[in-house]
Amino acid sequence: DVKVTQSSRYLVKRTGEKVFLECVQDMDHENMFWYRQDPGLGLRLIYFSYDVKMKEKGDIPEGYSVSREKKERFSLILESASTNQTSMYLCASSFGAKDSYNEQFFGPGTRLTVL
Amino acid sequence: EDKVVQSPLSLVVHEGDTVTLNCSYEVTNFRSLLWYKQEKKAPTFLFMLTSSGIEKKSGRLSSILDKKELFSILNITATQTGDSAIYLCAVRRAGSYQLTFGKGTKLSVIP
Repeated sequence: DVKVTQSSRYLVKRTGEKVFLECVQDMDHENMFWYRQDPGLGLRLIYFSYDVKMKEKGDIPEGYSVSREKKERFSLILESASTNQTSMYLCASSFGAKDSYNEQFFGPGTRLTVL
Repeated sequence: EDKVVQSPLSLVVHEGDTVTLNCSYEVTNFRSLLWYKQEKKAPTFLFMLTSSGIEKKSGRLSSILDKKELFSILNITATQTGDSAIYLCAVRRAGSYQLTFGKGTKLSVIP
């Protein structure tokens, strides 16, 4: 079974702190994704990566950056956390090229609260 | 901009009822439509639909796609309390890695 793990289930940080959210997948997937999920807004894509050291902006990249130094690991970075970044963060991975018919596999999520 | 609209946003039914969840979409160069179930943790994959009129089925769950009218439905028969979850619909366009998600339908099944 594909396993996508996230470093923390719950995280509480203060405004202005630098925050790292880590995601690891164990199935050698090329593609990895970071979403945030908010009530009434659904899942929104922040960033994704289709290869090591490659990254592309999603729909809401402002205030975030990412790092992918190894194939299995994709990190989401909040350079200076703000209260409006309080949310559930979900990581996902998939294999295959752009036109492949492959689903994304999700991690359990990190609920981040910024005070 | 791709768009996915799910309805209803929430639904409460009794065990044993049959429910139909709706997903309409607007996407340039449609590739596939996916359904996920999200309980307390990670969304789990249910179905991927690419062709009109072909029903996908897994136990009490089934789904079908209408590419002409740009919608899909997810049916759950003989609902159980374990079906309580948020059901997410997503679409993918050709040549893209991304999925665009709807806001989800929250289903509550009461005994």
